[in-house]
Amino acid sequence: AQKVTQAQTEISVVEKEDVTLDCVYETRDTTYYLFWYKQPPSGELVFLIRRNSFDEQNEISGRYSWNFQKSTSSFNFTITASQVVDSAVYVCALITNRDDKIIFGKGTRLHILP
Amino acid sequence: DTGVSQDPRHKITKRGQNVTFRCDPISEHNRLYWYRQTLGQGPEFLTYFQNEAQLEKSRLLSDRFSAERPKGSFSTLEIQRTEQGDSAMYLCASSLGQIMNTEAFFGQGTRLTVV
Repeated sequence: AQKVTQAQTEISVVEKEDVTLDCVYETRDTTYYLFWYKQPPSGELVFLIRRNSFDEQNEISGRYSWNFQKSTSSFNFTITASQVVDSAVYVCALITNRDDKIIFGKGTRLHILP
Repeated sequence: DTGVSQDPRHKITKRGQNVTFRCDPISEHNRLYWYRQTLGQGPEFLTYFQNEAQLEKSRLLSDRFSAERPKGSFSTLEIQRTEQGDSAMYLCASSLGQIMNTEAFFGQGTRLTVV
């Protein structure tokens, strides 16, 4: 079975703190992609990153960084020096070469307090 | 191109009524997907099209739900005899080819409330 688990339902941090959002996935397929999306209150899913299963290099994009570890089936997302505008729901997702459906986690609601 | 467009953005309907949502994908995107997201949950796959062909439907898509993409461009999702459990955000996405090989772009969704 394919599954994405985001155990953190809601997180609140004070502005400028660093915060890590956890994502654990399950799949038996060897070829897959992992995603992170940002979902603001307006509802659309804003693409942040896609990582394939053969590339375990960590990635940094500005204040965002992602840590992919196949050994623990995790794809965690860290925001450094958080800002109020980072407040949103963040959703982790998985797609495999078995079919063309994205499997989403439940999302983590992040509150950045001023 | 303005991205994936969904209409309406919000819909309130009485239980038992039929509703229809529309999704306009990005031009030339041959794949179109429908997802449903209930409160506190991640989006769940409903169905997807390649051009006008509906390739897969989820078990979540009961007989009351039907989706079409008649000319391979825009798509409609109809819910007949709505129930309170149908209240959710309905998201549409499109891609040029398989998502494994490209990126899916999501619309802003249609938020349905059944009263």
